[in-house]
Amino acid sequence: AQKVTQAQTEISVVEKEDVTLDCVYETRDTTYYLFWYKQPPSGELVFLIRRNSFDEQNEISGRYSWNFQKSTSSFNFTITASQVVDSAVYFCALRSEDSNYQLIWGAGTKLIIKP
Amino acid sequence: ETGVTQSPTHLIKTRGQQVTLRCSSQSGHNTVSWYQQALGQGPQFIFQYYREEENGRGNFPPRFSGLQFPNYSSELNVNALELDDSALYLCASSPGTSGRNEQFFGPGTRLTVL
Repeated sequence: AQKVTQAQTEISVVEKEDVTLDCVYETRDTTYYLFWYKQPPSGELVFLIRRNSFDEQNEISGRYSWNFQKSTSSFNFTITASQVVDSAVYFCALRSEDSNYQLIWGAGTKLIIKP
Repeated sequence: ETGVTQSPTHLIKTRGQQVTLRCSSQSGHNTVSWYQQALGQGPQFIFQYYREEENGRGNFPPRFSGLQFPNYSSELNVNALELDDSALYLCASSPGTSGRNEQFFGPGTRLTVL
C-alpha cells in the first residue's frame, strides 16, 4: 500500500528561524518518485522538487533544502532563515508503479511564519 | 508559455444539480489529471486523461466523469451533486504519464454545494 504521512499538522515560527517539515512514506516499489508542493492561500499548488528513489543526494536550492533517506523512508524539507512569504501549506507526495503513477498525497503541514 | 488555466474560479450549486469544470493544459502537455481537495486535506486523485482516453481512476463514483479534447484541454463533470462534493477541484497537466513527470497545477475551481 502507498501512503504518505506528514505528522505535523501546523508549525508556527518567528521569521528568520529555521524550520523542518517532516515526510514519511510507504511503498513496496523499488522505483518511485517523491515530490514537495507548496500551496499558498491563493490555492494553486506550486511544484518545489522531485526526487527519484535512486538519487539519495540531498538537494539545496537557496533557502530550501531536502534530506532524502531511504533507510528511514523519509523526505524532509528544511527552510533556512524563514520569511513571512514562506507561509503556506506544504504537501509531500509519492508516485510509483504500484499506485499506477497516481500522486499519493500527505495531509499537508500548515506553516505560519510570524514577523 | 501559458500555464494551466481553469474555469470558473468559483461556483455555487444546489444538491442534485450537475456541474462542468474546465481545464486548459500547459502548452505541450498531453496528460491531464483531476483532483478533489476538501478543506484542510490533501488532494485526492479523481482520474487522469492521456491523449483523450481515461488512463487511471481514483476511488470516486461514476457520477464523476470527464473528457479530454484533441487540444488536450479537459472537462470534469459531476452529476447529482452532494453536499460532500463541496471542495477545491484542481487540474494538473504533465508532458506524459511517466511517474518522473512533475504535474503543473491550475488555480483550481472552488465548488460549493448548498
